[in-house]
Amino acid sequence: DTAVSQTPKYLVTQMGNDKSIKCEQNLGHDTMYWYKQDSKKFLKIMFSYNNKELIINETVPNRFSPKSPDKAHLNLHINSLELGDSAVYFCASSQEAGNEQYFGPGTRLTVT
Amino acid sequence: QKEVEQNSGPLSVPEGAIASLNCTYSDRGSQSFFWYRQYSGKSPELIMSIYSNGDKEDGRFTAQLNKASQYVSLLIRDSQPSDSATYLCAVDSSYKLIFGSGTRLLVRP
Repeated sequence: DTAVSQTPKYLVTQMGNDKSIKCEQNLGHDTMYWYKQDSKKFLKIMFSYNNKELIINETVPNRFSPKSPDKAHLNLHINSLELGDSAVYFCASSQEAGNEQYFGPGTRLTVT
Repeated sequence: QKEVEQNSGPLSVPEGAIASLNCTYSDRGSQSFFWYRQYSGKSPELIMSIYSNGDKEDGRFTAQLNKASQYVSLLIRDSQPSDSATYLCAVDSSYKLIFGSGTRLLVRP
C-alpha cells in the first residue's frame, strides 16, 4: 500500500502557465508538508499543514498556494510558472509537526 | 537562520568497511534528529531517528547523538554497494525539520 502518493510524477510546462500537484497520505497523520529540492539536491520546506491548518509558510513567492481539503490531502497550485520553479517537489507527512516524516515519490517539474 | 551542516563528500569506502557520516546543527533547542537515505532520482527514506544522547543501533546502522557538542553521526557497518546513496541529516527546529545538504556515500565493490 502506498503511504504518501503524489500526482503527477512528471510535469513539463511552459513559462507563464498555472499547474497543480496533488498529494495524499493514508498513514492517518495529522501534518503534511511541501518541500522543494533544487538541482543541488538541497531540500527546503515550503509549507506545512496540521489538520487542515497552515502552520508553516516559509519565504515562498505568492505564486505558490497550498490547499488542504482534509488532513489526508495537501495540494500545491503554482501560478505564472517561471524557469526557476524547475525542481523536484516532495510531499511528506508526519504524525505531529517536527516528528518523523515520510516522503512521497516526488514530482519533477520542468518549466521551459 | 537555523542550520544543519554536512560534508558533501563523496565519501568513498570499500565494501565491508565502516562508513561514518557526520552532521552538526545550530539550534540548541532541537530535540529530534533523523537520518534519511536518498538514492538518485528517488525520495528521501527515513532510516534512523534518535532523541537522546548516546548511541542507537538498528541492524547495520548506528546513530550517535551528542547534544552538548551539537553533533549527530551515522555509522554504517559492513558497508555494501547498495548503501551508495546520499545521506541527509535532519533536525527538528520550531516544529519543522531542517535538512542538511547531504553526504554522498560511495561503497566500492
